Amino acid sequence: QITLKESGPTLVKPTQTLTLTCTFSGFSLSTSGVGVGWIRQPPGKALEWLALIYWDDDKRYSPSLKSRLTITKDTSKNQVVLTMTNMDPVDTATYYCAHWRRDAFDIWGQGTMVTVSS
Amino acid sequence: EIVLTQSPGTLSLSPGERATLSCRASQSVSSSYLAWYQQKPGQAPRLLIYGASSRATGIPDRFSGSGSGTDFTLTISRLEPEDFAVYYCQQYGSSPPITFGGGTKVEIK
Repeated sequence: QITLKESGPTLVKPTQTLTLTCTFSGFSLSTSGVGVGWIRQPPGKALEWLALIYWDDDKRYSPSLKSRLTITKDTSKNQVVLTMTNMDPVDTATYYCAHWRRDAFDIWGQGTMVTVSS
Repeated sequence: EIVLTQSPGTLSLSPGERATLSCRASQSVSSSYLAWYQQKPGQAPRLLIYGASSRATGIPDRFSGSGSGTDFTLTISRLEPEDFAVYYCQQYGSSPPITFGGGTKVEIK
């Protein structure tokens, strides 16, 4: 059974850097074809894809946020970490990590709400 | 950049009715790379359809996906009470790799 869980701060100040950790179980991120991605959703709004890391350490980023994002993986710990710099109130959202397979996010974490406020 | 436009924004239907949701892409999308998700309030999205027409594990057969090129459709043959939710389409391509549509809310009439 695949599960993912996001963890990190619930409140960050403007200009700070956000670090989120996705801890997963039930699969290995060294298995061919597999990836873990991050998606966010501002309150009452649509889903927005942020980043994706593949089993072979290939990384993809949303073009509009690429300069602010870094995604890394620690296969031994079954974790994927997303950092987002220079946080702004518009970045207030629920942040999800999800398992990527067959060109879709087939299993999602429960999400973590992050508020950006001074 | 591929933009996905979903319509209608809101669909008001009664249980037992048929729901037809549209997802239109600004450029051609490979059918292998189009997915649909369902999201209920306070919950994470759930994958319904991948590869434009393949149901994900455990998804009832009243959900079906179709389409190709720039026009894709999610059909719910007979709405059950638990189907009232927001639905998103998502494409996987080259630039940007992944985009989501703006969503269609299916509400009880």
